[in-house]
Amino acid sequence: AQKVTQAQTEISVVEKEDVTLDCVYETRDTTYYLFWYKQPPSGELVFLIRRNSFDEQNEISGRYSWNFQKSTSSFNFTITASQVVDSAVYFCALSEQSNFGNEKLTFGTGTRLTIIP
Amino acid sequence: DTEVTQTPKHLVMGMTNKKSLKCEQHMGHRAMYWYKQKAKKPPELMFVYSYEKLSINESVPSRFSPECPNSSLLNLHLHALQPEDSALYLCASSHQDMAELNTEAFFGQGTRLTVV
Repeated sequence: AQKVTQAQTEISVVEKEDVTLDCVYETRDTTYYLFWYKQPPSGELVFLIRRNSFDEQNEISGRYSWNFQKSTSSFNFTITASQVVDSAVYFCALSEQSNFGNEKLTFGTGTRLTIIP
Repeated sequence: DTEVTQTPKHLVMGMTNKKSLKCEQHMGHRAMYWYKQKAKKPPELMFVYSYEKLSINESVPSRFSPECPNSSLLNLHLHALQPEDSALYLCASSHQDMAELNTEAFFGQGTRLTVV
């Protein structure tokens, strides 16, 4: 069974501080994908990043960066110089290849991030 | 156009009503999904359609009936719901290519459903 753990339920930081959201996963698959999604108050899930299990390179996109460490089964997300617009719930997710080849996302419980002006 | 559109945005229905949720995408995606999200919980997969055929049903009660009339549309028909079915219902779509599985899913804003 696949499992994604986001131990931080809620985080609050002051604007311009850096913040790291933790994600730990469990899977028996050798090939898998990891995702981060952002859910603002409006409700839609906004895709942020996809990483496959064979690519352990860290990635940076503007103020966002991701650290994938297979040895510790972690895929952490850092926001640098946080802004109020970053306030949202962030979900880490793991995809499983079903018999039909479709993506089945297993989500973590989410981390509610509040950026204080 | 990277948009998944869901209607209505809000819906209040009685336990004896029949209603439908609608989802539309024009990104050429051939996989479409329904997720259910309770307050302060992560989304939970309900159904997956692949090339307009139902490929995954996560043991969802029959009072929820999905339909995929064509590659751009996905409906969720609701009948005889219970108050505990109140939730945010999210539709998503993703590119389906056998050479590249597990592409990212694009989500709509959801329909916030209240059953009274």
